[in-house]
Amino acid sequence: EAGVVQSPRYKIIEKKQPVAFWCNPISGHNTLYWYLQNLGQGPELLIRYENEEAVDDSQLPKDRFSAERLKGVDSTLKIQPAELGDSAVYLCASSLTRSNTGELFFGEGSRLTVL
Amino acid sequence: GNSVTQMEGPVTLSEEAFLTINCTYTATGYPSLFWYVQYPGEGLQLLLKATKADDKGSNKGFEATYRKETTSFHLEKGSVQVSDSAVYFCALSDGAGGGADGLTFGKGTHLIIQP
Repeated sequence: EAGVVQSPRYKIIEKKQPVAFWCNPISGHNTLYWYLQNLGQGPELLIRYENEEAVDDSQLPKDRFSAERLKGVDSTLKIQPAELGDSAVYLCASSLTRSNTGELFFGEGSRLTVL
Repeated sequence: GNSVTQMEGPVTLSEEAFLTINCTYTATGYPSLFWYVQYPGEGLQLLLKATKADDKGSNKGFEATYRKETTSFHLEKGSVQVSDSAVYFCALSDGAGGGADGLTFGKGTHLIIQP
């Protein structure tokens, strides 16, 4: 069974440019998460989806960040315009909504460098 | 709010040494506790978990016991191997059933095992 797939793995852009990250969760996983991981830090939740509904986006900087999960499967995270401080790894994870193990399954991440 | 504090690294040990990575937490209610591991070039993956006080999670020779009285979930292994070199993250979830509501992570501890 395929795991969580993210693309691109690496992205280098100039500041003020837009960037988008794509995530395909594990088949059948209703819950999808986007996390931000700064260098030397643990992941921090940006947004959580239950199917196509964003049920927790309190930590998403809405002035420049946006996300969507239109059909309740794949998701896209966008930054426009990017700033130097956005350089980080963007992690996508998925889980069953009513998981009895509490396990999140993570993708390999998308590493963003803003110059 | 919820928080997780874990010992800072890097932690450098010789092969077959005993390992302890300390983790303490602050949470309202009764969280589930997790250890995730990130091997070089790979995504985060669940190592072990415990969902209630006095539970012991174990996997691949690693163990951690949920200690409510000391709000701790220290990771231990009796004899480490070079292949255990990775970054280890302690995490908690205060949602019912564990991870469906998202996880709060510690900053991570980089473990280096020398042959």
